[in-house]
Amino acid sequence: DGGITQSPKYLFRKEGQNVTLSCEQNLNHDAMYWYRQDPGQGLRLIYYSQIVNDFQKGDIAEGYSVSREKKESFPLTVTSAQKNPTAFYLCASTLNGGSYNEQFFGPGTRLTVL
Amino acid sequence: DQQVKQNSPSLSVQEGRISILNCDYTNSMFDYFLWYKKYPAEGPTFLISISSIKDKNEDGRFTVFLNKSAKHLSLHIVPSQPGDSAVYFCAAGYNNNDMRFGAGTRLTVKP
Repeated sequence: DGGITQSPKYLFRKEGQNVTLSCEQNLNHDAMYWYRQDPGQGLRLIYYSQIVNDFQKGDIAEGYSVSREKKESFPLTVTSAQKNPTAFYLCASTLNGGSYNEQFFGPGTRLTVL
Repeated sequence: DQQVKQNSPSLSVQEGRISILNCDYTNSMFDYFLWYKKYPAEGPTFLISISSIKDKNEDGRFTVFLNKSAKHLSLHIVPSQPGDSAVYFCAAGYNNNDMRFGAGTRLTVKP
């Protein structure tokens, strides 16, 4: 079945540690996105990539890093520089970039910093 | 800067009645709008969309209305079913720019 997978579903991290969230899609989509969801707020864009080996910062990129070495994969690293990393993280993809395509979302990863 | 706002965090309706979820936006450049539905522990899934050249789009029990002058859109679900209970997000965008999402409205449909 085609879709987006995120792993792990739950992740715990100690303060000061970097952690990488996985996102894989087999939809042959060009564009991939990382969002963060906090209670009472909409999905906020962290990073996005419209093509392999290229990515752009979203609204809240500080403290995060990404790579896009393969079309299928768009891992997100939450670094120790992120002041408030506890949140629900969603990965999404679209056939190609832009606003006129529906986004397909993964199931999300809930990160808790202890 | 919240360009897309869903001012009602929750809504409760009786099964069989109409559910109306509202969304307001501030950026007049937005010309494409989508609604997503999210169940607990799952990612959002696309529900219905509308472009700014229309004022209504219908898909089965779901209808989205767009009022460009008021910068307002709404999602109507008729008749509502218990399986519709979920969080609904509206999103807006234009050209090749990022989508902007609202905070979501939790709909509960009571049997």
